[in-house]
Amino acid sequence: QKEVEQDPGPLSVPEGAIVSLNCTYSNSAFQYFMWYRQYSRKGPELLMYTYSSGNKEDGRFTAQVDKSSKYISLFIRDSQPSDSATYLCAMSKGTDKLIFGTGTRLQVFP
Amino acid sequence: DAGVIQSPRHEVTEMGQEVTLRCKPISGHDYLFWYRQTMMRGLELLIYFNNNVPIDDSGMPEDRFSAKMPNASFSTLKIQPSEPRDSAVYFCASSDSGTASGNTIYFGEGSWLTVV
Repeated sequence: QKEVEQDPGPLSVPEGAIVSLNCTYSNSAFQYFMWYRQYSRKGPELLMYTYSSGNKEDGRFTAQVDKSSKYISLFIRDSQPSDSATYLCAMSKGTDKLIFGTGTRLQVFP
Repeated sequence: DAGVIQSPRHEVTEMGQEVTLRCKPISGHDYLFWYRQTMMRGLELLIYFNNNVPIDDSGMPEDRFSAKMPNASFSTLKIQPSEPRDSAVYFCASSDSGTASGNTIYFGEGSWLTVV
């Protein structure tokens, strides 16, 4: 079993929709939770980062961590075609070793 | 800043050949990471360096893979001999303070390797 599980998608939504992306994990030692966005043929870039449980909001993006359920989410409000990308969750146990999910491909159509 | 620079961007090679991938991290960054990305396994950490010293190479798949960082501005990942299952995108990333506290790491655009 992988430490981090993520549905590969693709997820296809109309412009303006609310998008929900999720990851589950098995190791309760994870403390830092991140979401990376990767455009086609580019490297991943950090989108949001959360420490431990709770919510964090940044513009149209909200990251949510539920450590009791070992479940993290990324919500995108008012989705735009420019949000079309692969979204990767990543986690750390407080070391320099980031564990990534396999990524969910999102397509937002006009 | 120019960002993390990787070369070559694309490489097609025959099975058994030696492959060398190169990386120039962002100036001033003390950490350098090599990742491999495939559809099946996602993004996997192969090895990382701190101040040019390899810290964790437990992700290196086998002895055919080796990585060096002779100075703060250059690193190589070498595969010898290459096999078709090594076909993947190899990313180099750098950071000024590691990822232990959720700090940002900056990825290059990747080296797309195909072994036929």
